[in-house]
Amino acid sequence: NAGVTQTPKFQVLKTGQSMTLQCAQDMNHNSMYWYRQDPGMGLRLIYYSASEGTTDKGEVPNGYNVSRLNKREFSLRLESAAPSQTSVYFCASSEVKNTEAFFGQGTRLTVV
Amino acid sequence: EDQVTQSPEALRLQEGESSSLNCSYTVSGLRGLFWYRQDPGKGPEFLFTLYSAGEEKEKERLKATLTKKESFLHITAPKPEDSATYLCAVKTPAAFDKLIFGTGTRLQVFP
Repeated sequence: NAGVTQTPKFQVLKTGQSMTLQCAQDMNHNSMYWYRQDPGMGLRLIYYSASEGTTDKGEVPNGYNVSRLNKREFSLRLESAAPSQTSVYFCASSEVKNTEAFFGQGTRLTVV
Repeated sequence: EDQVTQSPEALRLQEGESSSLNCSYTVSGLRGLFWYRQDPGKGPEFLFTLYSAGEEKEKERLKATLTKKESFLHITAPKPEDSATYLCAVKTPAAFDKLIFGTGTRLQVFP
């Protein structure tokens, strides 16, 4: 029972490089989310997808794009990485509104 | 503006020394309050959901309670394995379904 799986776990990028963070869930959840976690800031929502085929911006979407590939998979893309995007990124999923979200193990990204 | 504040930021307890963590919230309509545990280098792990004032949930040494303005996570006779960061989050009836997180309380329990 894997739950929410994120890849990669660690990544170092140079400023201006691009990359895609992958996320997959095996719980048949409708909603999926991308958060970033920074010291002293708490978890902040980047993008979310309420259902397959829909995506919407969260609190801090600038510099990111997302794709809800199917019900299981939700990817986050950094087109041109900046040092301000150094953070730990978490993918999460939930069954429906107002229910708990389950999180992946995180991707620690460093942009130099 | 919807806001969640957790206190204290850090808490050091002796094994067996009970205490409480606080989560106060200011939101336009609560649709659920969630407690998570996060270990270093790991993702948040779901603990409890509370939906209405007066509701309580228990799991082993943890008990979560909810009022109209705050939630408490009571830890009874903690053990070193309870050491973690505890996160509180709320859901609101915003246009999109999101969790608003506090910054967490880092708990250390010493033997």
